[in-house]
Amino acid sequence: SAVISQKPSRDICQRGTSLTIQCQVDSQVTMMFWYRQQPGQSLTLIATANQGSEATYESGFVIDKFPISRPNLTFSTLTVSNMSPEDSSIYLCSVEKDFGDGYTFGSGTRLTVV
Amino acid sequence: AQSVTQPDIHITVSEGASLELRCNYSYGATPYLFWYVQSPGQGLQLLLKYFSGDTLVQGIKGFEAEFKRSQSSFNLRKPSVHWSDAAEYFCAVGGASTDKLIFGTGTRLQVFP
Repeated sequence: SAVISQKPSRDICQRGTSLTIQCQVDSQVTMMFWYRQQPGQSLTLIATANQGSEATYESGFVIDKFPISRPNLTFSTLTVSNMSPEDSSIYLCSVEKDFGDGYTFGSGTRLTVV
Repeated sequence: AQSVTQPDIHITVSEGASLELRCNYSYGATPYLFWYVQSPGQGLQLLLKYFSGDTLVQGIKGFEAEFKRSQSSFNLRKPSVHWSDAAEYFCAVGGASTDKLIFGTGTRLQVFP
């Protein structure tokens, strides 16, 4: 299975600012997935990122708020823009290296907005 | 609609006792099923997965799960729980490799000595 390096692991940010989260995968993957886990909640998919095309966003998530870049097959970033305290969550990236491997998750970014 | 239900929000067991965590799913196509574990402050670790074949699947850390199509269930079991198993457990369902995962709400497992 793939190994994902996600950073930062945590951050405390002022409201109105933006934070960019990075995910680096040790192998080439077609799709990368970004999830949000609000405090005490389950995981919700934000968007799916393909290299060379715009990310596909789930209902309730928009590109202006969560812009995603996917410059190559091993890297992606998620930006949380114009943050408010409601954005305080854990953000995780995920990939499936080969079909049947199961999805691997990064260690997550714990974001607190004050 | 596609969904995953984990009926038990919180389970407490004694160390050495057996464990079963319930998971029911609703999915229109052939489901691929997963169990993940999340320890406090950690990311998600894949315990096991079911894609096809034998409906009883073995995973890491002594866990197993059984896929029962007739009951739309994929319950996770362990014969003897260890204190280190205390964590949050998530069941998830997906489809083809390009499909997203849908997660249940999780079951928090507490283990008493």
